[in-house]
Amino acid sequence: RKEVEQDPGPFNVPEGATVAFNCTYSNSASQSFFWYRQDCRKEPKLLMSVYSSGNEDGRFTAQLNRASQYISLLIRDSKLSDSATYLCVVKERVDSNYQLIWGAGTKLIIKP
Amino acid sequence: DAGITQSPRHKVTETGTPVTLRCHQTENHRYMYWYRQDPGHGLRLIHYSYGVKDTDKGEVSDGYSVSRSKTEDFLLTLESATSSQTSVYFCAIRGLAGGLGTDTQYFGPGTRLTVL
Repeated sequence: RKEVEQDPGPFNVPEGATVAFNCTYSNSASQSFFWYRQDCRKEPKLLMSVYSSGNEDGRFTAQLNRASQYISLLIRDSKLSDSATYLCVVKERVDSNYQLIWGAGTKLIIKP
Repeated sequence: DAGITQSPRHKVTETGTPVTLRCHQTENHRYMYWYRQDPGHGLRLIHYSYGVKDTDKGEVSDGYSVSRSKTEDFLLTLESATSSQTSVYFCAIRGLAGGLGTDTQYFGPGTRLTVL
């Protein structure tokens, strides 16, 4: 079974701190990678795509390491509003289509 | 906002009863998906559709059927609900992921189903 694995947490982090979490994937042929954010009792929402060269969006930085098959998400200057579950997603080709393989998520709690 | 609505948003039903969940989208997306989300698991694909009357099974399709008679509506039916189908059900559409030149999925608000 192709898998995407994440530390479930929770990560308890003081406001203003930097926090990082990783996600490992098992299929070396995976094509694209994403981070989603899911608030309690809400739907997942796309946070950012992960570029091969790494990319930044404000306080958020995503990195991809294909050799070791993991992606990471770094959040700087964390805010209370960053409290959520962060889902790692890997896109794989299946025949002429593709599927998204989802991690179970890492829970982040930012404390004042 | 992906322009997706789901109904009902909450439902409690009894074992053995049929249940139909509806997903409605307003932006003419060709691909639609049904997932379930359970604690400790990633989202798991139940069925998906790639056009009107065109559907295919996902990873956890047993006990579920789908229909798509119009582009905007994708229905998920539990023919005879079981307690193991208690879950949160999300509908999704395929859309572009900005910047990568690839696409990903965008979700409706979900339906919380409890089977007693």
